[in-house]
Amino acid sequence: TAGITQAPTSQILAAGRSMTLRCTQDMRHNAMYWYRQDLGLGLRLIHYSNTAGTTGKGEVPDGYSVSRANTDDFPLTLASAVPSQTSVYFCASSDSAGGLEDTQYFGPGTRLTVL
Amino acid sequence: GQNIDQPTEMTATEGAIVQINCTYQTSGFNGLFWYQQHAGEAPTFLSYNVLDGLEEKGRFSSFLSRSKGYSYLLLKELQMKDSASYLCAVYDSNYQLIWGAGTKLIIKP
Repeated sequence: TAGITQAPTSQILAAGRSMTLRCTQDMRHNAMYWYRQDLGLGLRLIHYSNTAGTTGKGEVPDGYSVSRANTDDFPLTLASAVPSQTSVYFCASSDSAGGLEDTQYFGPGTRLTVL
Repeated sequence: GQNIDQPTEMTATEGAIVQINCTYQTSGFNGLFWYQQHAGEAPTFLSYNVLDGLEEKGRFSSFLSRSKGYSYLLLKELQMKDSASYLCAVYDSNYQLIWGAGTKLIIKP
C-alpha cells in the first residue's frame, strides 16, 4: 500500500507566488494533519482535519489554508509565499479512534524554499 | 504553556545501550509516542505508552511515569542504522499532539 503520498518532493518558489502542496492517503483514515519542521524546532501543526468536510487551525496557521473535500485528499495552499515559509512540510494521517489508533503516519515530506 | 524537553544530541557506541529521556508538562495526558526520523526522511512510529511502566519491542523499550511527567526510550545493541533523531510527542487533554524538538543520536563505530 502507498500509505501517504505528497507532491511535489521539493520546490523553489518566488516570494509572492501561490502554491498548493498535495497530500493523499489510501488508509481511509479519518484525521489528517499538516506540519512544518524547521531546524531545532519540533514539528509544528499548521492545520488539521478530524473528518472530511471539517478543518481546524493548528499552532501556526497564518499564511496557509486547507480544504478536505473527501477522505483521501488534504491539500495545503500558500496564497502568497514569504521566505519565512521555507521549511519541510509533512502531511500525516491517523484513524483518530483513540489510544494507539491515534498513531499518526507521515508522508515523505515536501521541501519548500521561498526566495 | 505546554512543553516537552529532550536532549538536543547524544553520542553512543555501536553495540552499546543508550537511554533518551523526555520530560513533559502538558494540559492533561492521553498517551506518549516515540518516533524515529532519519535525516531527510519522515518520522516513523516506534512506540506508544499510556500506562506507567515499560513497553518492550525487540531492541527498543519505552518507559513512562505519568506522576513524574517522564519517559525514556532505551535502545540496546546499537547499530549504525540507529543513527537518527528520536522524537517524543504527547497527546494532551484535547488530543492535540505536542512534539518535542527531537534528540539527534550519533552512533560511533
